[in-house]
Amino acid sequence: DVKVTQSSRYLVKRTGEKVFLECVQDMDHENMFWYRQDPGLGLRLIYFSYDVKMKEKGDIPEGYSVSREKKERFSLILESASTNQTSMYLCASSFLADGQFFGPGTRLTVL
Amino acid sequence: GNSVTQMEGPVTLSEEAFLTINCTYTATGYPSLFWYVQYPGEGLQLLLKATKADDKGSNKGFEATYRKETTSFHLEKGSVQVSDSAVYFCALVKTNAGKSTFGDGTTLTVKP
Repeated sequence: DVKVTQSSRYLVKRTGEKVFLECVQDMDHENMFWYRQDPGLGLRLIYFSYDVKMKEKGDIPEGYSVSREKKERFSLILESASTNQTSMYLCASSFLADGQFFGPGTRLTVL
Repeated sequence: GNSVTQMEGPVTLSEEAFLTINCTYTATGYPSLFWYVQYPGEGLQLLLKATKADDKGSNKGFEATYRKETTSFHLEKGSVQVSDSAVYFCALVKTNAGKSTFGDGTTLTVKP
């Protein structure tokens, strides 16, 4: 069964901390994505990557960075967490223009 | 740019009722179209897809037909169950980088 896994389901951090969210897929997909999901705002794309070491900004990249050193792993980094980054974070992967496979999500709370 | 417009929710139906959730899109060329479902506390799951005009995607009793002439991809199910209660997202993809444009989601509640 194909799988996208995220390092944590729930995470609580303090303002100013550096936060790492990890995502791993086992489908050998080229494309990987990070979204945040907030009530009333739908899904918003933060960053995506179409190959190892390649990345592109999505709609809301401010305050975030990403790393893709290996094909199966895509990390989202909050350089200095702020309370307005409290959200549900969803990782996904896809093969070319095919549908995306999503992980279970990480609910991050920044205090 | 590309956009997806979904029927606004929430939608509340009784069990065994017929479901339609409208989705229209704006895009040049021939995007691939998708429906996703999100159950409470989970990530999205791909429900069905269609990659060219007049294709019908189907899965778990749900269907949607790619209508190029009306730029639509409406989701239908003949008889909904309580377990179908979820949020449904319509989406399109245009390039091999896979970047999707999602609708805002429609919340469906099915009552016994």
